[in-house]
Amino acid sequence: DSGVTQTPKHLITATGQRVTLRCSPRSGDLSVYWYQQSLDQGLQFLIQYYNGEERAKGNILERFSAQQFPDLHSELNLSSLELGDSALYFCASSVRAGDTEAFFGQGTRLTVV
Amino acid sequence: LAKTTQPISMDSYEGQEVNITCSHNNIATNDYITWYQQFPSQGPRFIIQGYKTKVTNEVASLFIPADRKSSTLSLPRVSLSDTAVYYCLVGASGGSYIPTFGRGTSLIVHP
Repeated sequence: DSGVTQTPKHLITATGQRVTLRCSPRSGDLSVYWYQQSLDQGLQFLIQYYNGEERAKGNILERFSAQQFPDLHSELNLSSLELGDSALYFCASSVRAGDTEAFFGQGTRLTVV
Repeated sequence: LAKTTQPISMDSYEGQEVNITCSHNNIATNDYITWYQQFPSQGPRFIIQGYKTKVTNEVASLFIPADRKSSTLSLPRVSLSDTAVYYCLVGASGGSYIPTFGRGTSLIVHP
Protein backbone atom coordinates (compact mmCIF):
# COMPACT_ATOMS: atom_id res chain seq x y z
CA ASP A 1 0.00 0.00 0.00
CA SER A 2 1.58 3.25 -1.18
CA GLY A 3 -0.58 5.46 1.00
CA VAL A 4 -2.08 7.22 -2.03
CA THR A 5 -5.81 6.69 -2.35
CA GLN A 6 -7.75 7.08 -5.56
CA THR A 7 -11.50 6.91 -6.01
CA PRO A 8 -13.39 5.51 -7.71
CA LYS A 9 -11.53 2.40 -8.82
CA HIS A 10 -13.72 1.94 -11.86
CA LEU A 11 -15.90 4.35 -13.79
CA ILE A 12 -18.07 3.72 -16.82
CA THR A 13 -19.68 6.66 -18.52
CA ALA A 14 -21.03 7.76 -21.87
CA THR A 15 -19.45 9.98 -24.48
CA GLY A 16 -20.01 13.65 -23.86
CA GLN A 17 -20.27 13.26 -20.11
CA ARG A 18 -18.11 14.75 -17.36
CA VAL A 19 -16.44 12.87 -14.51
CA THR A 20 -14.30 13.72 -11.52
CA LEU A 21 -11.49 11.53 -10.26
CA ARG A 22 -10.26 12.00 -6.73
CA CYS A 23 -6.85 11.51 -5.16
CA SER A 24 -5.71 11.67 -1.56
CA PRO A 25 -1.90 11.87 -1.35
CA ARG A 26 0.25 10.24 1.29
CA SER A 27 0.16 12.03 4.60
CA GLY A 28 2.68 14.87 4.49
CA ASP A 29 3.14 14.87 0.72
CA LEU A 30 2.66 18.30 -0.82
CA SER A 31 3.10 17.41 -4.48
CA VAL A 32 0.50 15.58 -6.55
CA TYR A 33 0.89 14.33 -10.12
CA TRP A 34 -1.71 12.99 -12.52
CA TYR A 35 -0.92 10.48 -15.26
CA GLN A 36 -2.91 8.81 -17.99
CA GLN A 37 -2.05 5.31 -19.16
CA SER A 38 -3.53 3.83 -22.28
CA LEU A 39 -2.34 0.82 -24.25
CA ASP A 40 -1.06 2.84 -27.18
CA GLN A 41 0.40 5.83 -25.32
CA GLY A 42 2.03 4.38 -22.25
CA LEU A 43 2.18 6.37 -19.03
CA GLN A 44 1.71 10.06 -19.88
CA PHE A 45 2.22 12.90 -17.42
CA LEU A 46 -0.77 15.24 -17.34
CA ILE A 47 -0.32 17.82 -14.60
CA GLN A 48 1.36 18.51 -11.26
CA TYR A 49 0.23 20.48 -8.26
CA TYR A 50 2.31 21.54 -5.32
CA ASN A 51 0.77 22.82 -2.12
CA GLY A 52 -2.36 23.96 -3.90
CA GLU A 53 -0.70 25.60 -6.89
CA GLU A 54 -0.32 24.27 -10.40
CA ARG A 55 3.36 23.46 -10.89
CA ALA A 56 3.76 21.82 -14.27
CA LYS A 57 1.67 20.79 -17.23
CA GLY A 58 2.22 17.88 -19.53
CA ASN A 59 0.04 16.45 -22.26
CA ILE A 60 -3.22 17.51 -20.72
CA LEU A 61 -6.14 18.23 -23.00
CA GLU A 62 -8.11 21.45 -22.67
CA ARG A 63 -11.17 19.33 -21.81
CA PHE A 64 -9.32 18.16 -18.70
CA SER A 65 -8.65 20.22 -15.61
CA ALA A 66 -7.40 19.61 -12.11
CA GLN A 67 -7.07 21.29 -8.78
CA GLN A 68 -5.52 20.67 -5.40
CA PHE A 69 -7.48 21.67 -2.34
CA PRO A 70 -6.25 23.14 0.98
CA ASP A 71 -6.35 19.68 2.56
CA LEU A 72 -4.02 18.61 -0.30
CA HIS A 73 -6.37 16.18 -1.96
CA SER A 74 -6.66 16.61 -5.69
CA GLU A 75 -9.34 16.16 -8.28
CA LEU A 76 -9.03 15.59 -12.01
CA ASN A 77 -12.02 16.69 -14.03
CA LEU A 78 -12.59 15.20 -17.45
CA SER A 79 -15.33 16.70 -19.61
CA SER A 80 -16.88 16.16 -23.04
CA LEU A 81 -15.57 12.63 -22.82
CA GLU A 82 -14.61 10.73 -25.94
CA LEU A 83 -14.04 7.04 -26.51
CA GLY A 84 -10.32 7.72 -26.71
CA ASP A 85 -10.28 9.00 -23.13
CA SER A 86 -10.78 5.46 -21.89
CA ALA A 87 -7.66 4.71 -19.88
CA LEU A 88 -6.18 4.17 -16.47
CA TYR A 89 -5.66 7.42 -14.60
CA PHE A 90 -3.04 7.43 -11.88
CA CYS A 91 -2.32 9.90 -9.18
CA ALA A 92 1.10 10.05 -7.54
CA SER A 93 2.44 12.09 -4.68
CA SER A 94 5.80 13.10 -3.30
CA VAL A 95 6.97 15.07 -0.31
CA ARG A 96 8.37 17.93 -2.34
CA ALA A 97 8.05 19.09 -5.92
CA GLY A 98 10.88 17.57 -7.88
CA ASP A 99 11.47 14.52 -5.69
CA THR A 100 12.86 11.59 -7.65
CA GLU A 101 10.69 9.15 -5.74
CA ALA A 102 6.95 9.32 -6.22
CA PHE A 103 4.26 7.11 -4.75
CA PHE A 104 1.44 5.99 -6.99
CA GLY A 105 -2.15 5.14 -6.24
CA GLN A 106 -3.94 2.10 -7.62
CA GLY A 107 -5.55 4.13 -10.38
CA THR A 108 -9.02 4.77 -11.70
CA ARG A 109 -10.03 2.80 -14.75
CA LEU A 110 -12.25 4.98 -16.92
CA THR A 111 -14.30 3.40 -19.66
CA VAL A 112 -16.17 5.69 -22.03
CA VAL A 113 -18.92 3.97 -24.01
CA LEU B 1 16.12 15.57 -19.43
CA ALA B 2 18.33 12.57 -20.07
CA LYS B 3 16.85 10.17 -22.62
CA THR B 4 16.77 6.52 -21.60
CA THR B 5 16.78 3.42 -23.75
CA GLN B 6 15.90 -0.02 -22.47
CA PRO B 7 14.81 -3.27 -24.12
CA ILE B 8 11.12 -3.48 -24.92
CA SER B 9 10.74 -6.97 -23.54
CA MET B 10 12.60 -9.80 -21.86
CA ASP B 11 11.77 -13.38 -21.01
CA SER B 12 13.15 -15.43 -18.16
CA TYR B 13 12.41 -18.50 -16.09
CA GLU B 14 11.75 -18.92 -12.44
CA GLY B 15 14.88 -19.04 -10.32
CA GLN B 16 17.09 -17.22 -12.83
CA GLU B 17 18.79 -13.89 -12.33
CA VAL B 18 17.50 -11.16 -14.63
CA ASN B 19 19.52 -8.14 -15.66
CA ILE B 20 17.81 -5.23 -17.38
CA THR B 21 20.12 -2.59 -18.80
CA CYS B 22 19.20 1.02 -19.39
CA SER B 23 21.25 3.40 -21.51
CA HIS B 24 21.37 7.08 -20.60
CA ASN B 25 24.25 8.57 -22.55
CA ASN B 26 23.49 12.21 -21.74
CA ILE B 27 23.05 11.80 -18.01
CA ALA B 28 23.87 14.99 -16.13
CA THR B 29 26.17 15.31 -13.14
CA ASN B 30 23.38 15.71 -10.62
CA ASP B 31 21.08 13.06 -12.09
CA TYR B 32 20.04 9.98 -10.17
CA ILE B 33 18.88 6.72 -11.73
CA THR B 34 15.55 5.44 -10.48
CA TRP B 35 13.77 2.20 -11.32
CA TYR B 36 10.05 1.55 -10.99
CA GLN B 37 8.08 -1.67 -11.30
CA GLN B 38 4.52 -1.81 -12.57
CA PHE B 39 2.20 -4.79 -12.39
CA PRO B 40 -0.79 -4.94 -14.75
CA SER B 41 -3.53 -2.49 -13.82
CA GLN B 42 -1.55 -1.16 -10.85
CA GLY B 43 0.40 2.03 -10.33
CA PRO B 44 4.19 2.01 -10.71
CA ARG B 45 6.16 1.25 -7.57
CA PHE B 46 9.61 2.64 -6.74
CA ILE B 47 12.08 -0.21 -6.34
CA ILE B 48 15.57 1.24 -6.27
CA GLN B 49 17.63 4.35 -6.88
CA GLY B 50 21.31 5.04 -7.22
CA TYR B 51 23.93 7.57 -8.24
CA LYS B 52 27.05 5.49 -8.80
CA THR B 53 28.62 2.06 -8.21
CA LYS B 54 26.23 -0.41 -6.63
CA VAL B 55 23.07 -0.17 -4.60
CA THR B 56 21.28 -3.17 -3.12
CA ASN B 57 18.01 -3.51 -1.27
CA GLU B 58 15.69 -6.38 -0.43
CA VAL B 59 14.17 -6.34 -3.91
CA ALA B 60 16.98 -5.70 -6.37
CA SER B 61 20.48 -4.48 -7.06
CA LEU B 62 21.46 -1.56 -9.24
CA PHE B 63 24.83 -1.47 -10.91
CA ILE B 64 26.15 1.81 -12.30
CA PRO B 65 29.54 1.95 -14.06
CA ALA B 66 31.96 4.79 -13.51
CA ASP B 67 30.89 6.73 -16.61
CA ARG B 68 27.22 6.46 -15.54
CA LYS B 69 26.08 6.22 -19.15
CA SER B 70 24.16 3.06 -18.41
CA SER B 71 22.78 1.15 -15.47
CA THR B 72 21.70 -2.42 -14.85
CA LEU B 73 18.83 -3.52 -12.68
CA SER B 74 19.45 -7.00 -11.35
CA LEU B 75 16.65 -9.16 -10.01
CA PRO B 76 17.98 -12.26 -8.25
CA ARG B 77 16.15 -15.58 -8.58
CA VAL B 78 12.99 -14.26 -10.19
CA SER B 79 9.58 -15.78 -9.60
CA LEU B 80 6.34 -15.61 -11.55
CA SER B 81 5.32 -12.63 -9.42
CA ASP B 82 8.20 -10.58 -10.86
CA THR B 83 6.38 -10.48 -14.20
CA ALA B 84 5.91 -6.75 -14.67
CA VAL B 85 7.05 -3.71 -16.61
CA TYR B 86 10.26 -2.12 -15.35
CA TYR B 87 10.98 1.55 -15.99
CA CYS B 88 14.30 3.34 -15.83
CA LEU B 89 14.12 7.07 -15.06
CA VAL B 90 16.95 9.57 -14.91
CA GLY B 91 16.83 13.00 -13.33
CA ALA B 92 17.92 15.26 -10.52
CA SER B 93 15.73 16.11 -7.60
CA GLY B 94 14.74 19.70 -7.73
CA GLY B 95 11.85 21.95 -8.53
CA SER B 96 11.37 21.15 -12.19
CA TYR B 97 11.83 17.37 -12.12
CA ILE B 98 8.80 15.33 -13.16
CA PRO B 99 8.93 11.51 -13.16
CA THR B 100 8.72 10.79 -16.87
CA PHE B 101 8.15 7.24 -18.00
CA GLY B 102 9.13 5.68 -21.28
CA ARG B 103 7.77 2.36 -22.51
CA GLY B 104 9.78 0.37 -20.01
CA THR B 105 10.84 -3.26 -20.26
CA SER B 106 8.14 -5.89 -20.10
CA LEU B 107 9.57 -8.84 -18.19
CA ILE B 108 7.77 -12.16 -18.45
CA VAL B 109 8.85 -14.90 -16.10
CA HIS B 110 7.96 -18.41 -17.22
CA PRO B 111 7.49 -21.46 -14.96
